[in-house]
Amino acid sequence: EAGVAQSPRYKIIEKRQSVAFWCNPISGHATLYWYQQILGQGPKLLIQFQNNGVVDDSQLPKDRFSAERLKGVDSTLKIQPAKLEDSAVYLCASSFGTGFAYEQYFGPGTRLTVT
Amino acid sequence: AQTVTQSQPEMSVQEAETVTLSCTYDTSESDYYLFWYKQPPSRQMILVIRQEAYKQQNATENRFSVNFQKAAKSFSLKISDSQLGDAAMYFCAYRWGKLTFGQGTILTVHP
Repeated sequence: EAGVAQSPRYKIIEKRQSVAFWCNPISGHATLYWYQQILGQGPKLLIQFQNNGVVDDSQLPKDRFSAERLKGVDSTLKIQPAKLEDSAVYLCASSFGTGFAYEQYFGPGTRLTVT
Repeated sequence: AQTVTQSQPEMSVQEAETVTLSCTYDTSESDYYLFWYKQPPSRQMILVIRQEAYKQQNATENRFSVNFQKAAKSFSLKISDSQLGDAAMYFCAYRWGKLTFGQGTILTVHP
């Protein structure tokens, strides 16, 4: 079974530029998550989708971050404009459902460096 | 707000020995889930073990087991017969609603 795919794996941009990350979840997984993991910290949830609807985006900085999940499958996360403090690994995860017991499967992440 | 605290930034263990990683959490909920995740260097995060709060029996997965103390809000991970491949960052996580992670513990395994 193919895992969660993310691209690109690494990205370096200058502050005030824009960047987009792509995620393809495990086939059949209705729930998709984007996390931000700053170096030395645990991941923090940015946004959760159930199919193509947003379940929780309370911690998404909406003035600069946006995310969408077209047709309830692939998802993109965009940052515009980027700030130095956005340097982090952006993890995508998926699960079969939204229940607490459902295991979340994580992708390899995209490491973003903002200079 | 729920918080998860891992008080050990780094731990080390000799191969074949046992190590325990600590985790405490704060919640007012009675039914929730707790997890330990492993994140090897430059590799994907994977689930190690999960515990349902309403189950008193501690979860076990092969060499990994937990000591769940609900009243104390403590959830430690014991790794027995440590192997070189166990070296990684370990995250404790709590879920009621969204998944909340601790700060992580770096585990080094010495041959």
